[in-house]
Amino acid sequence: AQTVTQSQPEMSVQEAETVTLSCTYDTSESDYYLFWYKQPPSRQMILVIRQEAYKQQNATENRFSVNFQKAAKSFSLKISDSQLGDAAMYFCAYRLPTGANSKLTFGKGITLSVRP
Amino acid sequence: ETGVTQSPTHLIKTRGQQVTLRCSSQSGHNTVSWYQQALGQGPQFIFQYYREEENGRGNFPPRFSGLQFPNYSSELNVNALELDDSALYLCASSSTRGGYEQYFGPGTRLTVT
Repeated sequence: AQTVTQSQPEMSVQEAETVTLSCTYDTSESDYYLFWYKQPPSRQMILVIRQEAYKQQNATENRFSVNFQKAAKSFSLKISDSQLGDAAMYFCAYRLPTGANSKLTFGKGITLSVRP
Repeated sequence: ETGVTQSPTHLIKTRGQQVTLRCSSQSGHNTVSWYQQALGQGPQFIFQYYREEENGRGNFPPRFSGLQFPNYSSELNVNALELDDSALYLCASSSTRGGYEQYFGPGTRLTVT
C-alpha cells in the first residue's frame, strides 16, 4: 500500500522569504503522480503543483517549485517570495495514473503561517 | 464552467441517525470521489463512482454508501452515525478524458453529537 508522510506539523516563514515543505512517500510502483494541495481556512482544496514520476524535470508553477527525488522517494515544495495569502494547510498527495486506482492518498498535512 | 458544488455546507446530526450528502460534479466530469477529513488530518479516500458504479473503495464500513446519477452527480449516505463520523466530507470530480485530475468541492462539515 502506498503511504505519504509529512513529518513537520507546522512551519512559519517571514513574508517575502522562502520556505520548503517536506514530504516522503512509499510505493512499489514506477509510474505515479505526486501533488501538493493547499487548503486555506475556507476548506477548498486547491491544487498547487503536480509532478509526474516519469519526468526527471522538477515541476514549477510561478513561485512554487518542487524537488522530486525519485530514488529517495522525496517530494518537497519550495515557496519563494512568501505572501500572506500562502498561509494555509498544505498536503502532499500521491496517486496512480488511471482507473480505479486513481484515488488520492494524502499525508497528514502541514500548517504554514506567514509572518508579516 | 461550473465547479464542484456540495450541499449542505454544514449540518449537525445525532448519533444513530442517517445522513445524505450531495455533490454536483464539474461540467464534463464523469467520475466522483469522496473523502473524509477528520480535524487536523489529511483526507481519507472513502470510495469512487464511475458510470453509476462503485469503482474503488477505501477502508470504510458498509454503512458508508453512495450513488452516482446519470448526470454524474453523487450522494454519500452514512447510516447509524457515530461520533467519529464527525468530519469534513470532500467530493472531487474528475474525467477519464482529463487524466483523472481531481477537482474538489468546498466540503460538507458534519458534526455528530
